Amino acid sequence: DVQLVESGGGLVQPGGSLRLSCVASGFTFSMNAMAWVRQAPGKRPEWVSSITGSGHNIYVADSVKGRFTISRDNSKNTLHLQMSSLRVGDTAVYYCAKDLSGGGVRGSFVYWGQGAPITVSS
Amino acid sequence: DIQMTQSPSSLSASIGDRVTISCRASQGINIYLNWYQQRPGKAPTLLIYGVSSLQSGVPSRFSGSESGAGFTLTISNLQPEDAATYFCQQSHNFPYTFGQGTKLEIK
Repeated sequence: DVQLVESGGGLVQPGGSLRLSCVASGFTFSMNAMAWVRQAPGKRPEWVSSITGSGHNIYVADSVKGRFTISRDNSKNTLHLQMSSLRVGDTAVYYCAKDLSGGGVRGSFVYWGQGAPITVSS
Repeated sequence: DIQMTQSPSSLSASIGDRVTISCRASQGINIYLNWYQQRPGKAPTLLIYGVSSLQSGVPSRFSGSESGAGFTLTISNLQPEDAATYFCQQSHNFPYTFGQGTKLEIK
């Protein structure tokens, strides 16, 4: 069975940094594009960033560009999201998601983790 | 950015009913339209991708289509477990964007 397990969420002050991790199992991680999608309370999901299976191609939403960095370690089946200069508006549950495609990005998210809540507040 | 607009925002239906949820994109998105179901406190799950392709394991009661007015998610023979919020999403252009959601209540 496919499993995606996020960790690293929590409470952080505005301007602070946080690193999310997502450990994947049940599929060949290096051959699948991955993504981070966030959802603020009571709001629609918001795509944050995607990365191809090889890690060579990265796509980032303008709302987080220059502040968030997606990366992956295929040797450890792990996806990361490094977040800096956090804002109150970044408060959300952050989901790791597996793209439906193979190595390329397709944008249909077939498996999701349980979510990592992040609260940005002073 | 491509804006995705769903209607209605909420609806209530009975067991066995057939319901439809509509989704319109602010510009052409070809066939790159997906539907998700989200139950309270849970992550979204993919129901339909590419307008009408049923994701593996999803009951055949769910179907997707395209019309001149946009895209439609149809749920036939409504079941209690279908109570959820449904989102459409375009994957034609970055940034991928979602509709505002349709909350389905079972009477």
